[in-house]
Amino acid sequence: ETGVTQTPRHLVMGMTNKKSLKCEQHLGHNAMYWYKQSAKKPLELMFVYSLEERVENNSVPSRFSPECPNSSHLFLHLHTLQPEDSALYLCASSQDPRGTTNEKLFFGSGTQLSVL
Amino acid sequence: AQSVAQPEDQVNVAEGNPLTVKCTYSVSGNPYLFWYVQYPNRGLQFLLKYITGDNLVKGSYGFEAEFNKSQTSFHLKKPSALVSDSALYFCAVRDGYSSASKIIFGSGTRLSIRP
Repeated sequence: ETGVTQTPRHLVMGMTNKKSLKCEQHLGHNAMYWYKQSAKKPLELMFVYSLEERVENNSVPSRFSPECPNSSHLFLHLHTLQPEDSALYLCASSQDPRGTTNEKLFFGSGTQLSVL
Repeated sequence: AQSVAQPEDQVNVAEGNPLTVKCTYSVSGNPYLFWYVQYPNRGLQFLLKYITGDNLVKGSYGFEAEFNKSQTSFHLKKPSALVSDSALYFCAVRDGYSSASKIIFGSGTRLSIRP
């Protein structure tokens, strides 16, 4: 176990649905991340939160809305998604509050999302 | 701009043979380099990193990686492969010149070790 837990493991949703992905870290880290993993593509960094403040938004469409209520929890709210949004969504955390240093990332197992 | 490339989608090796997974990078300043592994139905796990110092870095599970500045490469190696090494391997780089830079991942290389 990496200390980062993601729920649900699998999610199937229609394009008009609203759903949320949850991530919780038990490591006492100060930075949390959302990544999108698609087959044969580089891991895409979506959002970075450092000390509960969003410090990075990599031109992600507004149909993805992150929320970080405290340093241990991170959510990704989804609405009116497209089929091309189907992917594995990974949450990660790191110790450094700036979220940008050379420290290693700890990843959750991901949520496999299918948009019909 | 920083980037990382993994030229091979798949690498196949017989158990007991040495393995190499290739990675090349491009950064403006000094590179901070990483290797992560992803086993089926799991998230990525940190294997090793190069920040400064010796060009040969040793990591988890018997893996090592060699930093080559002239070739801008950071290939992952293991002297003797195990079937349990079969997984998806990601190389990553961060530009050490800028504190605002982020870790950029490659597209991954699937390593398959046959018994």
